[in-house]
Amino acid sequence: GAVVSQHPSWVICKSGTSVKIECRSLDFQATTMFWYRQFPKQSLMLMATSNEGSKATYEQGVEKDKFLINHASLTLSTLTVTSAHPEDSSFYICSARGRSGISGNTIYFGEGSWLTVV
Amino acid sequence: GENVEQHPSTLSVQEGDSAVIKCTYSDSASNYFPWYKQELGKGPQLIIDIRSNVGEKKDQRIAVTLNKTAKHFSLHITETQPEDSAVYFCAASDSAGNQFYFGTGTSLTVIP
Repeated sequence: GAVVSQHPSWVICKSGTSVKIECRSLDFQATTMFWYRQFPKQSLMLMATSNEGSKATYEQGVEKDKFLINHASLTLSTLTVTSAHPEDSSFYICSARGRSGISGNTIYFGEGSWLTVV
Repeated sequence: GENVEQHPSTLSVQEGDSAVIKCTYSDSASNYFPWYKQELGKGPQLIIDIRSNVGEKKDQRIAVTLNKTAKHFSLHITETQPEDSAVYFCAASDSAGNQFYFGTGTSLTVIP
């Protein structure tokens, strides 16, 4: 299947700082990327949907000024957690969907990024 | 919007037995149903999927069935092995793939 790479896989940052997580589709062009947050033993919570070259669409309750999403190219989307606080500590996962006809509407997930804010 | 329900939330089976996880969906426009396996600390991995023009799909020990009329689909794992232990998520999507709605997950434990 298609490969989606996420980096870093684990990051620890100080409270008040910002941290960037990258999501790359390695072998296909991702017109749409999704960002999720997952708490222990819970399902995936969709945070936002980003389409290449346009602004991300955020789910209700997600602060767009705190979770900055950039989808600058067909293979890269970034999530920046600004002014991080301990309650932002979580497992963040991205997924990517290719163009219609290429991987169809199948989505593939990255390996996830553990964020710990101390 | 779409509502996907998944049962059971936890499932324990003896090694070698079969495991079945069921999902229902509400939107008749949904026509793509993937299943993902998530191991601890990792991202979900696609293990099998089915589209609405097919009633059943099989890949070795894994099979998925779809009943469009009843709006439910199921994951079947036969001859379970300890390495099958993980959390499994079902999902439903429309043909455009603009929205994927996930079930709440099933934690499967295969007891050696």
